[in-house]
Amino acid sequence: AQTVTQSQPEMSVQEAETVTLSCTYDTSESDYYLFWYKQPPSRQMILVIRQEAYKQQNATENRFSVNFQKAAKSFSLKISDSQLGDAAMYFCACLPAGGTSYGKLTFGQGTILTVHP
Amino acid sequence: NAGVTQTPKFRVLKTGQSMTLLCAQDMNHEYMYWYRQDPGMGLRLIHYSVGEGTTAKGEVPDGYNVSRLKKQNFLLGLESAAPSQTSVYFCASTKAIGAPSSYNEQFFGPGTRLTVL
Repeated sequence: AQTVTQSQPEMSVQEAETVTLSCTYDTSESDYYLFWYKQPPSRQMILVIRQEAYKQQNATENRFSVNFQKAAKSFSLKISDSQLGDAAMYFCACLPAGGTSYGKLTFGQGTILTVHP
Repeated sequence: NAGVTQTPKFRVLKTGQSMTLLCAQDMNHEYMYWYRQDPGMGLRLIHYSVGEGTTAKGEVPDGYNVSRLKKQNFLLGLESAAPSQTSVYFCASTKAIGAPSSYNEQFFGPGTRLTVL
């Protein structure tokens, strides 16, 4: 079984500044994927970034990057040059890579990000 | 290509009433999922399906039933609604499980806000 914990219910950042959202997870699986999803006020779930656990290199997608610390089971999301459109709820999620997982995602509780102009 | 669609978008029920939520995907995905989202708890898996004609229980299946008679559709039923089932319900689908990692991305519908009085 997996658990995912987001200890920051709310975060705020000034426009153009950088913010980091924290996520810790626990899994007994040797191989797994980690994801960050964004949920704006429209409720639509949008994939922001993914990380394969077997890769040591941290994933990046434009202004979004992760700090993946496998030994510490930490997976934080850094948003650089924050924009007003980044305001949303952000969810961290874990997915075991094995076929018997059947793709079942385990989500954290979510962090609400507010961006101030 | 509509992706994942959900019907209805909003619904209000009285305790004891029944209803069915419809999820449809046009991406020929094998795997489909129903989640519920509650404040402070993230998304939790209700039921899932690994293919046409198959369903299985997730983390919080009590009070819900599902069916996957056609590959593109995944129905979630509430036989006797209770106030504890007030939530936002999301359907998701994914192409397959395993490598490459892009196969594991789940595509979400827009959600259904259900209120049970």
